[in-house]
Amino acid sequence: AQSVTQLGSHVSVSEGALVLLRCNYSSSVPPYLFWYVQYPNQGLQLLLKYTSAATLVKGINGFEAEFKKSETSFHLTKPSAHMSDAAEYFCAVSRGSGYGNKLVFGAGTILRVKS
Amino acid sequence: SQTIHQWPATLVQPVGSPLSLECTVEGTSNPNLYWYRQAAGRGLQLLFYSVGIGQISSEVPQNLSASRPQDRQFILSSKKLLLSDSGFYLCAWSRSSGGGLDGYTFGSGTRLTVV
Repeated sequence: AQSVTQLGSHVSVSEGALVLLRCNYSSSVPPYLFWYVQYPNQGLQLLLKYTSAATLVKGINGFEAEFKKSETSFHLTKPSAHMSDAAEYFCAVSRGSGYGNKLVFGAGTILRVKS
Repeated sequence: SQTIHQWPATLVQPVGSPLSLECTVEGTSNPNLYWYRQAAGRGLQLLFYSVGIGQISSEVPQNLSASRPQDRQFILSSKKLLLSDSGFYLCAWSRSSGGGLDGYTFGSGTRLTVV
């Protein structure tokens, strides 16, 4: 079965600083990996996804993530934080399509951006 | 393009009252549908998922039920609400089980407060 661990339930950075949100996964087969963002009282929005193509994936709002199989990681980064990046971020893993498969979410990381 | 609608956006209900939350998807057929709940500080909890009309799988025992009377309609219900049912409810859809290459697409959520 797949699982996702997000290290750090809360991360605080200064505006303009590097954002690094950590995600480690466990999967018995090559995974599909996703990052979602959730702003207060809104649904989840897809930031980016890895589906076995390029290991460095670029998403919306200047975020990117790198799939590292040897480290079973898919950390989310952004070179320079903006106040508008304050939100909750969820990493998720899937085995792909197929009956019975489901997207498995991490517990989420709340990002706070200080001015 | 596909869109997902969820309503109402907010709801305040007394303990013991019934509940009906509705979710509809447009622009696709035979979607996989999901109901999630977010309670304060507890991440995303998958409540129900459906792969077709009348086919409902429950992930956790609870005071809630789900139905899928039409292909693109998913309803979350309760006969008698409990205080512990308070939370943020999210509907989502995917083309295939596990999300495939696209992951899940989420609705905007319903904030339910049971008083």
